[in-house]
Amino acid sequence: AQKITQTQPGMFVQEKEAVTLDCTYDTSDQSYGLFWYKQPSSGEMIFLIYQGSYDEQNATEGRYSLNFQKARKSANLVISASQLGDSAMYFCAMREGGTSYGKLTFGQGTILTVHP
Amino acid sequence: DSGVTQTPKHLITATGQRVTLRCSPRSGDLSVYWYQQSLDQGLQFLIQYYNGEERAKGNILERFSAQQFPDLHSELNLSSLELGDSALYFCASSVLRGNTEAFFGQGTRLTVV
Repeated sequence: AQKITQTQPGMFVQEKEAVTLDCTYDTSDQSYGLFWYKQPSSGEMIFLIYQGSYDEQNATEGRYSLNFQKARKSANLVISASQLGDSAMYFCAMREGGTSYGKLTFGQGTILTVHP
Repeated sequence: DSGVTQTPKHLITATGQRVTLRCSPRSGDLSVYWYQQSLDQGLQFLIQYYNGEERAKGNILERFSAQQFPDLHSELNLSSLELGDSALYFCASSVLRGNTEAFFGQGTRLTVV
C-alpha cells in the first residue's frame, strides 16, 4: 500500500492566487513527521515546510502553510499568492517513528504550473 | 545552498560499467541517505549510513553498494550498469536530534547508454 499519496499529477494556478496540493499518508506510528519539498526543473530538492505528528498548530513558512488533519491523515500544502517561480514539482514525504534521522518516504509528486 | 555536496553532477557511462558517486554531508551531520529518482519508480530510498555504519536499507539492488568514511563523506558504487539504472541520484544528510528536514544535495544525473 502507498504510504504517501498525491492524487494530483498536475495542477494549474493563476499568478497571485492560492493553490492547495493534496497529500494523504498511511502509518501506524504515533510519532512521525511530514515534509514538503519543491523540485524545480533544475533538479535540486528544496525543503519547504515540516509538520510533526504531535504539533497542535498547522505549520507555516512564509507563503507556505500545511493544512494538517490528523484524523483524516492528510497534510495538504497551501501556497498563497502564487508566483511564476513556484512552477515546479512538489513532493510530500513522511518520516515514520520517533527518530529524527529515519528515511523519508515520498509521494509521486504534483507538477504545479503557475500562469501569468 | 543546502551544504550537501555531490559529485559529479552529470555522468554518462556505458552498460556493464561501474561508477562511484560521492557525497559530502553538511558539516556536523552524521547521517547520510541515498535516494534514486527515476521516471517510473519516483523517489526511492536506497540506503542510510549513520556515523560510518549502515543504518537502514531500502530498495537497493545487489549491484549497488555504499559506504561512509571516517570523515563522514559517503560513496555510492553502482556496478554492472544497465539502461534502467539511468536516474537522478540524491544524497541527503540530517542532524542527529530534532525533527528537521533532510538536506539534499543537487544530485548526480546518471545516464547509462
